[in-house]
Amino acid sequence: GESVGLHLPTLSVQEGDNSIINCAYSNSASDYFIWYKQESGKGPQFIIDIRSNMDKRQGQRVTVLLNKTVKHLSLQIAATQPGDSAVYFCAENPRRSDQFYFGTGTSLTVIP
Amino acid sequence: DAGVIQSPRHEVTEMGQEVTLRCKPISGHNSLFWYRQTMMRGLELLIYFNNNVPIDDSGMPEDRFSAKMPNASFSTLKIQPSEPRDSAVYFCASSPVVPGIGELFFGEGSRLTVL
Repeated sequence: GESVGLHLPTLSVQEGDNSIINCAYSNSASDYFIWYKQESGKGPQFIIDIRSNMDKRQGQRVTVLLNKTVKHLSLQIAATQPGDSAVYFCAENPRRSDQFYFGTGTSLTVIP
Repeated sequence: DAGVIQSPRHEVTEMGQEVTLRCKPISGHNSLFWYRQTMMRGLELLIYFNNNVPIDDSGMPEDRFSAKMPNASFSTLKIQPSEPRDSAVYFCASSPVVPGIGELFFGEGSRLTVL
């Protein structure tokens, strides 16, 4: 069959609005999760993490929510700024695994 | 505070040539990872080292790829011979803790184009 590239979800928000980026993870044994931000031409950069014994964790302008029942993560960015424009990845670490598995990413564009 | 340093940042080469990518992890970090990023497959783990020892190389695509970590401050990823399908951005990342427990610190990446 023909190979296709990854379809990167995109999200456009107005500057100052809140952004919500979603991620579905695959492994019910995953117990540690990280959100990364990747700006154009740069490597992924840590934003926030959460362990499976928590439902919510807050950082500066960012909040991560974890719903283990449906294997869903979300990243909320408050008062989105142009500098928040980037691709955002969630990464999961299964229990007793040495590895992180990265999602396909969501491209966030902030409209000034 | 220097982060993970990768070189070269960009490499353009012809099919069949040998390519060597270099990485200097953050001092004191004892885990080092090599990832490949493409539009087709996203971020893929190729290999990782813990205390300079390769732990899992199951992500290495084929025998044309090899990685070494001769000491705690240096690692190489070599492709020989290179092919056009190897074109990608290759990231090195390091971590101060046991793999899978803490965040990864990524370098800026090496963009490889094989003609």
